[in-house]
Order: sequence, then C-alpha cells, then structure tokens
Amino acid sequence: GAVVSQHPSWVICKSGTSVKIECRSLDFQATTMFWYRQFPKQSLMLMATSNEGSKATYEQGVEKDKFLINHASLTLSTLTVTSAHPEDSSFYICSARDPGRSLSYNEQFFGPGTRLTVL
Amino acid sequence: AQSVTQLDSHVSVSEGTPVLLRCNYSSSYSPSLFWYVQHPNKGLQLLLKYTSAATLVKGINGFEAEFKKSETSFHLTKPSAHMSDAAEYFCVVTLASTGNQFYFGTGTSLTVIP
Repeated sequence: GAVVSQHPSWVICKSGTSVKIECRSLDFQATTMFWYRQFPKQSLMLMATSNEGSKATYEQGVEKDKFLINHASLTLSTLTVTSAHPEDSSFYICSARDPGRSLSYNEQFFGPGTRLTVL
Repeated sequence: AQSVTQLDSHVSVSEGTPVLLRCNYSSSYSPSLFWYVQHPNKGLQLLLKYTSAATLVKGINGFEAEFKKSETSFHLTKPSAHMSDAAEYFCVVTLASTGNQFYFGTGTSLTVIP
C-alpha cells in the first residue's frame, strides 16, 4: 500500500515552454503532498507543500509564479514549470502523506521522480 | 531548529563486510527519524524509521539503526554488505511541532567493492 506515482518519468522540452508533472496517490487519499527538487549528487530540497483545496505553501526562494502547483483532488497534485530554462533541469520528486495510517502519520511516501531536461 | 548531519559523503566497503552510515541530528524535542535509500535515477525507498518506540529499529534488507538520544545519533548499520546495497542513503528528521516537515541530510553514497 501507499503507492505514489509520477508522470512522466522523464521529459525533454525546449527553453521557454511549460511542462506539467503529475503526482498521484494510487491507493490512498493524500490531503498533503510535497514537491522536492534534487540536483545531481545532492540532497532533496523541499520546494512546496501542497494541500488539497487550498494554495500551496512555497519555501523561501522558490518562485511561485514559475512553479505552479495545483492540488485539485485528494489523489492528484500537479507541478507546472512555466517558461522553463536550462537551469530548471533537475530531478523532481513528489511525496504524499497518508492520513489513514495513524501510526505513521508523519511518514511521507515518495514517487519515483521525474527527470526534466530543458534544452 | 532541526538539522541533520550525515558525517560521510561517501563510504566504500567490501562485499560481505559491515556497513556503517553515520547520522547526527539537532533537535530540541523528540524527533522522528528515517533512513531512505535512493538507487540511481529512482525515487526514495524507506529503509526504516524511529518514532519514539524501540530505540533499536530493524528495517528492510538487513539494515538497522539505533536511536541514541545522549549522542543525538541515528546511525545505520548492516552486518554484511551486498552488491545491491550500492546506492545513496539519506537520513531524515521530522518533528510534529514543525508540521512534520522533512529535513534531509546531504546524503551518503555507498560503494560496495566485489
């Protein structure tokens, strides 16, 4: 149980275009999802916390107008990288909490990640 | 504030020998601690977690970790390394009072030599 999927697993786009990444909780309802960014050989950096039905909370230094997050349902959150540039190339990972797991209320279940390359 | 320090950015062991990956945390309160493993171009897989129950935690694939409050440590160990253990390992601390936000260590890359 507690499976999180991401789509696509990898994407290549041209500079200036927008890219949407989907994060789905497959077997549970996730009221809270998280978006992380990971550069090569580095740790994960939290970009934003996505709460179903409300605006996302962005971490300091993350441009909310560039990284649009939508959490319209309890099983889906999307991250849209708008007007992407080569410096946005990275590995984007989402995670979700399963509020039904009372013993692991603070555990996060991670998706497999999306590799974005902007040419 | 919470923080996590993984003392070694890279660890190299021979197959069949013990593994020790070190993690120290900084927190004023009792945290929850996790170890995750990440294989190349893959997402994170939970190895084990400490959530104020037993201080010695057993995880998957033969890994275990011991929570030592006096030393503020949560080191990950395995008695005998396998080739498939080669990966990146992340120690994570979280605290209920900060909304259970995950604070990641910088990661330790484990190499297993045949």
